[in-house]
Order: sequence, then structure tokens, then C-alpha cells
Amino acid sequence: EVQLVESGGGLVQPGGSLRLSCAASGFTFSSHRMHWVRQAPGKGLVWVSLIDTDGYTTTYADSVKGRFTISRDNAKNTLYLQVNSLRAEDTAVYYCARDGGGLGLWGQGTLVTVSS
Amino acid sequence: QSALTQPASVSGSPGQSITISCTGTSSDVGGYNYVSWYEQHPGKAPKLMIYDVSKRPSGVSNRFSGSKSGNTASLTISGLQAEDEADYYCCSYASSHTLIFGGGTKLTVL
Repeated sequence: EVQLVESGGGLVQPGGSLRLSCAASGFTFSSHRMHWVRQAPGKGLVWVSLIDTDGYTTTYADSVKGRFTISRDNAKNTLYLQVNSLRAEDTAVYYCARDGGGLGLWGQGTLVTVSS
Repeated sequence: QSALTQPASVSGSPGQSITISCTGTSSDVGGYNYVSWYEQHPGKAPKLMIYDVSKRPSGVSNRFSGSKSGNTASLTISGLQAEDEADYYCCSYASSHTLIFGGGTKLTVL
């Protein structure tokens, strides 16, 4: 089955860190640019980060630059997002998405809650 | 990186057509033919409805269509059905390998 499955979310204190994972299956992961998109409770979608197929090109939204790091392991068919120095405003469902002419495949999301 | 501008809400009756606008700048919507549209039902992941301004992925109804003029893209849904009630988001490629989403539009089918 073609799917993306996120994991790694949870409750973390302000200033804390998490590593989010996105396991891909059913397609050639290494052939696709990948993204992270987040959605705060009751709010809209916000693009977070992109990584190219080989992992060498990465870009970030200004709001997370310097705090978040995207990476991928094509041998393990897995995308990652290391989130550091977390703030209350980072509380959101984090989705990974496959790029292939629009974001045509999304995971179910993983919830990150930043609170003391 | 300000969000693209969408109306907060639109509504229509079953069978009618509605159009949702998405306004950006020459650095995003107006500069590239890489506008996409997503449908999101409550508690669900977004679903791609339109990509590259006007292309429909396999399996998406031909009641959905997209277009662009200058810095404004549009999504039109014809023959409205109850199941079209959802939130809709536009998204554009912007400069330097970044994306930008619109604020979202809540569609109500009356």
C-alpha cells in the first residue's frame, strides 16, 4: 500500500526537542522531494520544510529556520524532522507529504504539543 | 512569507457552482505555474485536488477545476454536492524552493 506514516510527536516542555519520523512505503521514496507541513489546532496549513531527493537541498520557513532540521534516509525510506528550541506556537499536527506535481500523498499527521 | 489571501468562507446550494480565489504576488502565484489546491475534511489529512494551476490528479472529479490570472488563482467547483463541504487551501511555489499556503476557505453547502 502506498502510504506515509508519521511518528515521534508528543508533549514537550518549551525549549525541548523531538525527532519526528515519516515512514514511506509502496513507492520509490528516493525519487521524490518531500515536505513537512504543520497545522496548529483550529488553524490553517503552514509549510515548514522541503528536502530534495538526494538530501542535499533543504529549505525552511522563516519561523523555524535555525531550530528545525529536515533529513532523509533513502535506504530506510524514512523522512525526519528534528525540532529543537520548541515554543508554544510550534504546537501543531505535523504532516509529511510527497511532492510529485502538488503534494499528492500525505500522512495522517503526528501531534506535537509544547507546554509546561 | 505572508500567507496567500483566500476568502474565509464561501457557500452555495447543491448543484450550484462556486469559485474560491487565492491572491498572492509576482513572487509566488504570479511567478510560477505551480499552484495547487487541497481539500480537508475535519480531522483528516489534506487531499490534493488540483496541481500545476489546472491539472487534476487521477480520481478527482472533473467538477473541480483550476485557473490563474496574474497574481490570483481560482478553484471552481461545479455541481456542488454535500460531500464537498470542507476546508480548501491553495498553495504556491515561491522563490528558493519554498512553498506558501493560503489561509484556507471554509465551504458550506447550504
